[in-house]
Amino acid sequence: AQSVSQHNHHVILSEAASLELGCNYSYGGTVNLFWYVQYPGQHLQLLLKYFSGDPLVKGIKGFEAEFIKSKFSFNLRKPSVQWSDTAEYFCAVNAEGTTDSWGKLQFGAGTQVVVTP
Amino acid sequence: GAVVSQHPSRVICKSGTSVKIECRSLDFQATTMFWYRQFPKQSLMLMATSNEGSKATYEQGVEKDKFLINHASLTLSTLTVTSAHPEDSSFYICSARDQQGAEKLFFGSGTQLSVL
Repeated sequence: AQSVSQHNHHVILSEAASLELGCNYSYGGTVNLFWYVQYPGQHLQLLLKYFSGDPLVKGIKGFEAEFIKSKFSFNLRKPSVQWSDTAEYFCAVNAEGTTDSWGKLQFGAGTQVVVTP
Repeated sequence: GAVVSQHPSRVICKSGTSVKIECRSLDFQATTMFWYRQFPKQSLMLMATSNEGSKATYEQGVEKDKFLINHASLTLSTLTVTSAHPEDSSFYICSARDQQGAEKLFFGSGTQLSVL
């Protein structure tokens, strides 16, 4: 069965530390990949997405992610976090990879990130 | 930016009653909306795809008679949990796809349903 795995459920780190969140998926076909963030009390927001092309994708707020096809991974990174990055982060996959299926996402369980001052 | 409004944000109901959750796209038309459910510490799981003017498509294992979806207009989809039971207690969230751009997808803020 298709699945999306996020390696950590909870991460605590200090401001200015580097962040890397792991995401692996199990699907052999064409995929579109996403990272969403949910700040406390707010909607899910798109951080970045990968469809094709350069496997290193840059998103908003200084986040980037690298798609490694051979590892079925799409890890999220930020070199230096801020207190305002405290949020829950979700990796998601559009496994069918077609325009018609756009929006039909399979999510990871999420990672709660807490940045301490 | 585009906003999807989901209402109510939290609802508590008695077992056996029905609960309706609304999902509205506020500044765009959404031919397609999606309904997800999330249990604590678990992923958001897609329940169904809601298409304006036609029947919803349910994912395997989701009871269509239990979770009634209506998408009567380009800006509104509703999910009704019928005869709710405690095991239906969950976080329900919708998303809407902007018909003007296949890459535009926006999420509601979710509804926490607690069935006593």
